Amino acid sequence: EIVLTQSPGTLSLSPGERATLSCRASQSVTGNYLAWYQQKPGQAPRLLISGASSRATGIPDRFSGSGSGTDFTLTISRLEPEDCAVYFCHQYGTSPVTFGQGARLEIK
Amino acid sequence: QVQLQQWGAGLLKPSETLSLTCAVYGGSFSGYYWAWIRQPPGKGLEWIGESKHSGGTNYNPSLKSRVTISVDTSRNQFSLRLTSVTAADTAVYYCARGPWVVRGVIMTNLDYWGQGTQVTVSS
Repeated sequence: EIVLTQSPGTLSLSPGERATLSCRASQSVTGNYLAWYQQKPGQAPRLLISGASSRATGIPDRFSGSGSGTDFTLTISRLEPEDCAVYFCHQYGTSPVTFGQGARLEIK
Repeated sequence: QVQLQQWGAGLLKPSETLSLTCAVYGGSFSGYYWAWIRQPPGKGLEWIGESKHSGGTNYNPSLKSRVTISVDTSRNQFSLRLTSVTAADTAVYYCARGPWVVRGVIMTNLDYWGQGTQVTVSS
């Protein structure tokens, strides 16, 4: 199965700053079928990005995804307090689909 | 607006069978796979498997021998059965709308989720 490794494990930034989260795959992600999710405590994951770079419905344009092959990035520009959450990457091009271990974003 | 609402027993003893159901409101039921994902306490997400409205299934090989996902198209519901549970199966279980594939292209995947059900396995 494809192993997704996220870095850094925890990121602590101030409001207004830019966050860059990385997701590296153990092998190429078929079709660049790579998604990003945001999860807040006690809530289900929320889809942010699919197909590596397409924002899901209702997601602010502060969130952007990029990358291809084995290296993908989620960028959150102009951080807001409500962006405090755990972010997961997810590949769905190869079965079994897999998730990264998660990256915690803290807002100072 | 698509909504998923799930329910099922939250406390099981070792060797029992986990059973959860998810109802889908709004949107189309046919044409999609319907999936289950779980999250052990303080850990990441694990895909359990999926079933299409027409009955085709895909399971995580790590759980395949114990998992059954079934679909009831008459009620727009789908269900998860996991047999012979142990403490390692303790997790929050989520249902979600799985892939919609059109001519080999995955158009959407895991875009709507249920609220989650805490399942604890303890003697």
